Amino acid sequence: NAGVTQTPKFQVLKTGQSMTLQCAQDMNHNSMYWYRQDPGMGLRLIYYSASEGTTDKGEVPNGYNVSRLNKREFSLRLESAAPSQTSVYFCASSENVGVGEKLFFGSGTQLSVL
Amino acid sequence: QQQVKQSPQSLIVQKGGISIINCAYENTAFDYFPWYQQFPGKGPALLIAIRPDVSEKKEGRFTISFNKSAKQFSLHIMDSQPGDSATYFCAARVTGSARQLTFGSGTQLTVLP
Repeated sequence: NAGVTQTPKFQVLKTGQSMTLQCAQDMNHNSMYWYRQDPGMGLRLIYYSASEGTTDKGEVPNGYNVSRLNKREFSLRLESAAPSQTSVYFCASSENVGVGEKLFFGSGTQLSVL
Repeated sequence: QQQVKQSPQSLIVQKGGISIINCAYENTAFDYFPWYQQFPGKGPALLIAIRPDVSEKKEGRFTISFNKSAKQFSLHIMDSQPGDSATYFCAARVTGSARQLTFGSGTQLTVLP
């Protein structure tokens, strides 16, 4: 029962470099998310995908792009990394548990941009 | 602009004590209030959640108290244990908006043995 798998776990980039964060879930969930976590800021939604083939901007989408490759996979791309994108990134998927949505998070990617 | 304000930022409690974390919100369209627990190096995990039609929900040692008129909700951890040491996030969601869980800033709880 892998749940939500993110790769890589750690990454160091230089300003201007690009990279893609990979995420896959094996729970057959329709909805997937990318969040970033910064000290004192909680978790902020970057992008969201309600289903395969659809994506939508969240609270902090600038500097990022996403691809919902299929139902399982949702990737996040930084085209030209900036120091302000230093953060911990979490991918999540969700299911409705009656009272509301339950998010299942991956273990995160710690990204440093120098 | 933070729509869900969480306090305190950090909390230290003795084993067996009660831990209380508070959240306040302004948007009356919020209709779902979950709490997430995060251990170091892990992603957050749903702990307990409440809808605004009830004032309290209890699951084991964890209780959510909800005050709709004051637009506040809180997490109470009874008989706190060292294993409860983690970061706790409150969150809220707007009606019909499955994508938008707005999270509080988090509370780092330390339970001393």
